Amino acid sequence: GNSVTQMEGPVTLSEEAFLTINCTYTATGYPSLFWYVQYPGEGLQLLLKATKADDKGSNKGFEATYRKETTSFHLEKGSVQVSDSAVYFCALSPKAAGNKLTFGGGTRVLVKP
Amino acid sequence: SAVISQKPSRDICQRGTSLTIQCQVDSQVTMMFWYRQQPGQSLTLIATANQGSEATYESGFVIDKFPISRPNLTFSTLTVSNMSPEDSSIYLCSVGGREDYGYTFGSGTRLTVV
Repeated sequence: GNSVTQMEGPVTLSEEAFLTINCTYTATGYPSLFWYVQYPGEGLQLLLKATKADDKGSNKGFEATYRKETTSFHLEKGSVQVSDSAVYFCALSPKAAGNKLTFGGGTRVLVKP
Repeated sequence: SAVISQKPSRDICQRGTSLTIQCQVDSQVTMMFWYRQQPGQSLTLIATANQGSEATYESGFVIDKFPISRPNLTFSTLTVSNMSPEDSSIYLCSVGGREDYGYTFGSGTRLTVV
């Protein structure tokens, strides 16, 4: 079956530091890949997505590249802010009827001023 | 992308009672999904709700405990029945599945059972 593995947190950083959250997946075929963010006390927001190999998703300074050869979709941001403190979820969805999301375990990020 | 209104946003309930959570979407969607997020955990899919047919439940979830209604293409409800403290979680609805906009989530219902 499909699965997503992402690095465990919490990840604690200082403001303006570089952030990387690793995500690898197992799936048949070529799924779509997503990063979601959950700010404290809120629901999930789509941060970025990629639908085919070598696609780069980007939003709010975050980037992730769909790497088919390493089955990875690592999230990066060059300079984090305190407002980036949240839980980040990597997810995949197969490109098929009735498709549904499979989530990783989530990574809590805490950015200190 | 679709906009989802989910309510209630939070509730504290007595064990043995039931709570119905509502999700209203601002556009017609074929599939709606219900998730549970236990404290400090990731999201687990409870069921997929299609209009005009019975919901499809994931392993470990049953209709008697989590009955779902889907009366039209913009609305769905999830009921958490005969609640126990172990049901304390955030429940979220979601729509989507198209590659061009991904999936959209409601703001969640934070349920505490005492």
